[in-house]
Amino acid sequence: GAGVSQTPSNKVTEKGKYVELRCDPISGHTALYWYRQSLGQGPEFLIYFQGTGAADDSGLPNDRFFAVRPEGSVSTLKIQRTERGDSAVYLCASSQTGTSPQYFGPGTRLLVL
Amino acid sequence: RKEVEQDPGPFNVPEGATVAFNCTYSNSASQSFFWYRQDCRKEPKLLMSVYSSGNEDGRFTAQLNRASQYISLLIRDSKLSDSATYLCVVNTGAGRRALTFGSGTRLQVQP
Repeated sequence: GAGVSQTPSNKVTEKGKYVELRCDPISGHTALYWYRQSLGQGPEFLIYFQGTGAADDSGLPNDRFFAVRPEGSVSTLKIQRTERGDSAVYLCASSQTGTSPQYFGPGTRLLVL
Repeated sequence: RKEVEQDPGPFNVPEGATVAFNCTYSNSASQSFFWYRQDCRKEPKLLMSVYSSGNEDGRFTAQLNRASQYISLLIRDSKLSDSATYLCVVNTGAGRRALTFGSGTRLQVQP
């Protein structure tokens, strides 16, 4: 079946701009996660949704980052006033329940110039 | 100290070799353990879960030592296609669902 999909696959923006990254989880998966991966590092947790609600947003680095999942399926990660340090691969994962294995999408490569 | 620590490698081994990776984690309350594989510029993919009794999946064997907070992955009869970065992953439990990743160990299998 279809895996997790993410759009766009690449995004180049200028410092100070606003970006939105989209994640389409595996159909039927109630849990959705956002991670960020910098070069040479493992992914770092940002936020976890169970259904429509953010069950854990402890990984969001600051208030420029925000994520929504209004209908419990597709999620959007929003970054305001982007900074060069935001450049990374943003990975989305989903799982059938909160305790099931997590399956990752291909990621969005964000480059802030 | 990082929550999950791994030797970054690279481990360069010939085809057919046996190679072992180790990982330590700092949170003694951690409840779930995994190995993920990540190819260059690709997403992490679940390789296997790690159980307290140890578990095997074909050429791959994973072991967990809770007392030492240590996880291992053994790959037997290495294939060229095993070349990738192997990520040690922990779920710290206590109601949290987030995964904590190590920085990965790079494996290069050579012909």
